[in-house]
Amino acid sequence: AQSVAQPEDQVNVAEGNPLTVKCTYSVSGNPYLFWYVQYPNRGLQFLLKYITGDNLVKGSYGFEAEFNKSQTSFHLKKPSALVSDSALYFCAVRRMFSGGYNKLIFGAGTRLAVHP
Amino acid sequence: EPEVTQTPSHQVTQMGQEVILRCVPISNHLYFYWYRQILGQKVEFLVSFYNNEISEKSEIFDDQFSVERPDGSNFTLKIRSTKLEDSAMYFCASSEGTAEAFFGQGTRLTVV
Repeated sequence: AQSVAQPEDQVNVAEGNPLTVKCTYSVSGNPYLFWYVQYPNRGLQFLLKYITGDNLVKGSYGFEAEFNKSQTSFHLKKPSALVSDSALYFCAVRRMFSGGYNKLIFGAGTRLAVHP
Repeated sequence: EPEVTQTPSHQVTQMGQEVILRCVPISNHLYFYWYRQILGQKVEFLVSFYNNEISEKSEIFDDQFSVERPDGSNFTLKIRSTKLEDSAMYFCASSEGTAEAFFGQGTRLTVV
């Protein structure tokens, strides 16, 4: 079975400071990992993905994430947080299987609050 | 930029009534999904659809739920007899495969 854990319900950070939103996963085989952001009353917006290659992936709005296979983690980071980054962030995993590509499984979400 | 569109944005229905939620996936995508989210909480998988058939479904997706791709563009989710606990935000998504899934803005379903 595949699963995703986001250990923090909420992360608070001051504007201008670096931010990290944590994610660990469990999946058999090679994982495909994703981060999505959700603003209030909106859909899920894709931020970045790890499929293969460099462990550090860069995405939209200055976000990046580091894939760590030994720790089965895929933490989301940003060097300098903005108030406008305040939103709900979801980590997701999927795996390929012989029949095709299966579903995205989402973590419970982490609410990021950036304070001026 | 291509996007997934969902209609209606908000649907209010009486318990026991049938509802159909509609989605237009991105045109060159082959995989389609329905997810739901209750009160801004966890995003739950309902069903995936590929090559005109269900490829996977969750325990939530019982006999009251069905999906259909009636033509080359639409992808619908039907709930035959709605229950109060079906109230949620329903998201449609589509993908090319290993690539990321793109989500619509959602339909807020309220069952009264």
